[in-house]
Amino acid sequence: AQTVTQSQPEMSVQEAETVTLSCTYDTSESDYYLFWYKQPPSRQMILVIRQEAYKQQNATENRFSVNFQKAAKSFSLKISDSQLGDAAMYFCALRGYSGGSNYKLTFGKGTLLTVNP
Amino acid sequence: NAGVTQTPKFQVLKTGQSMTLQCAQDMNHNSMYWYRQDPGMGLRLIYYSASEGTTDKGEVPNGYNVSRLNKREFSLRLESAAPSQTSVYFCASSDNRGSNQPQHFGDGTRLSIL
Repeated sequence: AQTVTQSQPEMSVQEAETVTLSCTYDTSESDYYLFWYKQPPSRQMILVIRQEAYKQQNATENRFSVNFQKAAKSFSLKISDSQLGDAAMYFCALRGYSGGSNYKLTFGKGTLLTVNP
Repeated sequence: NAGVTQTPKFQVLKTGQSMTLQCAQDMNHNSMYWYRQDPGMGLRLIYYSASEGTTDKGEVPNGYNVSRLNKREFSLRLESAAPSQTSVYFCASSDNRGSNQPQHFGDGTRLSIL
């Protein structure tokens, strides 16, 4: 079984500052993938960033980057130069790969990010 | 680009009524999924279809049935709606040719059961 834990139900950050959202996970699989999704008030689920577990280099997408610590099973999201449009619920998700077509995602419960002007 | 389209966007039902949520994707994806989202619970997988012609239970399948009508369409049916099924329902799809491919989500259906 896979589990994903987001220990921060809510976070806040000042506009232009940096914030880090935490995520820890557990899986018995050796090969897996990690994702961060953003859900603004519009309710859309938007992919922010993804990380392959076999890659040591941390993924980066513009102002978004991750700190992937495989041994600690930690996958945090850093948002730099926060903008008002970053305000949203953020979900961490894990997909194991056990071969075949097993591409199910396991989600954390989410962190609600508020950006203060 | 339409992506994943869900209908309806909102629905109110009475306890015991039946309802089918529709989902269609135009990205030629093999895999499709149904999730429910409840406050404080994140997204939980109800059913999924790894490929056309197959369906499997997810984490919370009780009270639901699904049909993978063809490669594009994957419907979710509530045969006898209960208040505990009040939730926001999301359909998603993914390309399983590459295991790092993300899931693409529809805009959700807000379902209220009175």
